[in-house]
Amino acid sequence: QKEVEQDPGPLSVPEGAIVSLNCTYSNSAFQYFMWYRQYSRKGPELLMYTYSSGNKEDGRFTAQVDKSSKYISLFIRDSQPSDSATYLCAKASGYSSASKIIFGSGTRLSIRP
Amino acid sequence: DTGVSQDPRHKITKRGQNVTFRCDPISEHNRLYWYRQTLGQGPEFLTYFQNEAQLEKSRLLSDRFSAERPKGSFSTLEIQRTEQGDSAMYLCASSYPTSGTTNTGELFFGEGSRLTVL
Repeated sequence: QKEVEQDPGPLSVPEGAIVSLNCTYSNSAFQYFMWYRQYSRKGPELLMYTYSSGNKEDGRFTAQVDKSSKYISLFIRDSQPSDSATYLCAKASGYSSASKIIFGSGTRLSIRP
Repeated sequence: DTGVSQDPRHKITKRGQNVTFRCDPISEHNRLYWYRQTLGQGPEFLTYFQNEAQLEKSRLLSDRFSAERPKGSFSTLEIQRTEQGDSAMYLCASSYPTSGTTNTGELFFGEGSRLTVL
């Protein structure tokens, strides 16, 4: 079983819609989760991070972690064409400063104008 | 700050040849990571360094792969006797941990080195 499982999509929604992206994880030794965004032909860039469970909001983006179900979600409100990208969920593996970051397979998102 | 730099951006080689990629991290970052990414997949962890020490190497990584970071600055990733299955984007990332033992997880990625093995 992969440490992070993610629905690959693709997902296509109209501009202004609310987008929900989801991942499940295993091996929850260290409760640190991230969402990265990757545009075509570019390296990933950090969008949001969160420790433990609960919600974290940043502008139009909300990251949510449900420890009981081992579920990670990213919500995008008022989606824009510029949000079209691949979204990667990630988690720290291990429980020390030597932990590496493990990525899901990514969900390709397209926002239709 | 010029960000993470990778060279070459694209390498085409014949099966059986050796290739080497170079990564120059952000100057104050002491951690350096190598990932491999194929089309439609997320980055797959290969190895990472803290300063010049290689802390972990993926068990999935063949012995044909070797990485070095001799002075704790730039790093090289060498693939010997390349195979067609090695065709992928090789991503380098660097990070600087906050004080204490927590890794913030913010990896700064380069734009990658694309390898095509014919």
